[in-house]
Amino acid sequence: NAGVMQNPRHLVRRRGQEARLRCSPVKGHSHVYWYRQLPEEGLKFMVYLQKENIIDESGMPKERFSAEFPKEGPSILRIQQVVRGDSAAYFCASSPQGVPTSLSPLHFGNGTRLTVT
Amino acid sequence: SQQGEEDPQALSIQEGENATMNCSYKTSINNLQWYRQNSGRGLVHLILIRSNEREKHSGRLRVTLDTSKKSSSLLITASRAADTASYFCATDSRGGGSEKLVFGKGTKLTVNP
Repeated sequence: NAGVMQNPRHLVRRRGQEARLRCSPVKGHSHVYWYRQLPEEGLKFMVYLQKENIIDESGMPKERFSAEFPKEGPSILRIQQVVRGDSAAYFCASSPQGVPTSLSPLHFGNGTRLTVT
Repeated sequence: SQQGEEDPQALSIQEGENATMNCSYKTSINNLQWYRQNSGRGLVHLILIRSNEREKHSGRLRVTLDTSKKSSSLLITASRAADTASYFCATDSRGGGSEKLVFGKGTKLTVNP
């Protein structure tokens, strides 16, 4: 059984370019979360999506960042006009239900490491 | 917002010793979870303890929860070099229209062979 798949693992972008990060959740999971992690820091919540719906984007910067989880295909985190401060590891997690429990904790991918030069 | 805060930030021990990590949080919770992150990898769920539980065991892991002090501890007994990783506590947080997990900054554990 495949876990959460994120690609690319590493992404280098120049300032002003766009970054697209993809996340395929565990098969059968309809809840996807995106987190950002700076070096030596914990994970900061960005956005929570269900299929075709943004449930909570309270952690997303107001500009340049967007996320989607279409009916078919992976969830996409899109960062437009990247700046150096966007350099971080971006993790996607999925769950079969909205509230993680012992039986259905969050399953994380291995992240995409974005470097903005 | 940061809900959980782990301490110490870094811990270095010898193989066979026990490792204790602590987590404090600010608001009331339904449950508290511990996750582990190996370098360059995603987080892996270790254990969940509910707000009405005081202690939980899983293999060499022991978690305690004190809701009156808003704190939790993770004990790893008889540590092994393979336990070297960062350990994060996570609490459920309601805000922005949903419940979500909020993570602390983690404790970086090094187990020396």
